[in-house]
Amino acid sequence: DTGVSQNPRHKITKRGQNVTFRCDPISEHNRLYWYRQTLGQGPEFLTYFQNEAQLEKSRLLSDRFSAERPKGSFSTLEIQRTEQGDSAMYLCASSVRLAGVGDTQYFGPGTRLTVL
Amino acid sequence: AQKITQTQPGMFVQEKEAVTLDCTYDTSDPSYGLFWYKQPSSGEMIFLIYQGSYDQQNATEGRYSLNFQKARKSANLVISASQLGDSAMYFCAMEAGGYNKLIFGAGTRLAVHP
Repeated sequence: DTGVSQNPRHKITKRGQNVTFRCDPISEHNRLYWYRQTLGQGPEFLTYFQNEAQLEKSRLLSDRFSAERPKGSFSTLEIQRTEQGDSAMYLCASSVRLAGVGDTQYFGPGTRLTVL
Repeated sequence: AQKITQTQPGMFVQEKEAVTLDCTYDTSDPSYGLFWYKQPSSGEMIFLIYQGSYDQQNATEGRYSLNFQKARKSANLVISASQLGDSAMYFCAMEAGGYNKLIFGAGTRLAVHP
């Protein structure tokens, strides 16, 4: 059973460029989450998919951010016109609800974005 | 408002000793879940332990146990027999809202000394 994978692991870009990150969840997990983590803080929720439907978006997700999950499998997170404030670790997690054990989210290794 | 508070920015413990990492939470929802994650320097969040709000007994997973005090709204993590590999950031989190998104605390950095 492979875990959640994310690509790339690191991305350095210049301000104003567009970037796209990919997340491959654990294969049987129908729920997928994106979080952002800045230095010294805990992760903050960005958005949530159940299968291919995007069901919730945080106010942190400005109109420069877009996320997709075509066919309910992998997901992409795109940031357009990047700003220095977008520099952070972007974490993806997936889960499936199991009776009696809650809905445990398993995280990928993250993509660290640096905007110069 | 739903909130997680971790008041210990840093803790240290001697190898083989036990350590308790504090977590308090705030929610008005009677049904919730509490989680602890470990984040080593590599960055990956590793799930450690889960406690449901209706669970009668404290959760245990190997060397990890969760001291759940519902009336005090606390969910402290106890690590027994600390190992050098336990040195990492530890985050307490609560599932909130209908879609189980997690709200995280600011974390506690644990250093295990030989």
